[in-house]
Amino acid sequence: NAGVMQNPRHLVRRRGQEARLRCSPMKGHSHVYWYRQLPEEGLKFMVYLQKENIIDESGMPKERFSAEFPKEGPSILRIQQVVRGDSAAYFCASSPDGNPGQPQHFGDGTRLSIL
Amino acid sequence: GNSVTQMEGPVTLSEEAFLTINCTYTATGYPSLFWYVQYPGEGLQLLLKATKADDKGSNKGFEATYRKETTSFHLEKGSVQVSDSAVYFCALSDSGGGADGLTFGKGTHLIIQP
Repeated sequence: NAGVMQNPRHLVRRRGQEARLRCSPMKGHSHVYWYRQLPEEGLKFMVYLQKENIIDESGMPKERFSAEFPKEGPSILRIQQVVRGDSAAYFCASSPDGNPGQPQHFGDGTRLSIL
Repeated sequence: GNSVTQMEGPVTLSEEAFLTINCTYTATGYPSLFWYVQYPGEGLQLLLKATKADDKGSNKGFEATYRKETTSFHLEKGSVQVSDSAVYFCALSDSGGGADGLTFGKGTHLIIQP
């Protein structure tokens, strides 16, 4: 009974490279959320997706960041031309539906380090 | 907009002490409220939740009551253990708000000493 799976757990990139973070939701969950956690901070919402649709991307930076959740395969958070300020832990969560009372289940995160 | 404010840490207690971590919120709609716990190097785990006023969430000896009149959801435990050491996050989900994601507080680092 696998939970939310994120990979890689740790990712190191040099400035200007691309970072791709993957998230497979829990079985039976079709709603995916991405969050960013800076050191000593809480999690900040980035984007909410259902299969093949972006529902809310109000927390996404306007440039360099994109997300998708294709019909087949994991959700991908993509960061182009990374900068030092992108260093953070990125968490994915899933839920079976978009009900606000439904808890979100979190993965263990991807720690992104920019050299 | 929505926001969550929780007490600053770290909070250091001795084993078997009583714990309170304060959490207050502002929301545009009728939020559901959650407490999540994060152990080092791991993701967040749901600790408890409440979806309407006066509901009490409870789990593993922790409790929190949804107080609409004071817009609060304080976390309590009668007797803490060393294994409770972790970072605790208060969060809300608001059907009437803008974003569909959770709004989190900054987290409270709890340290329990034997």
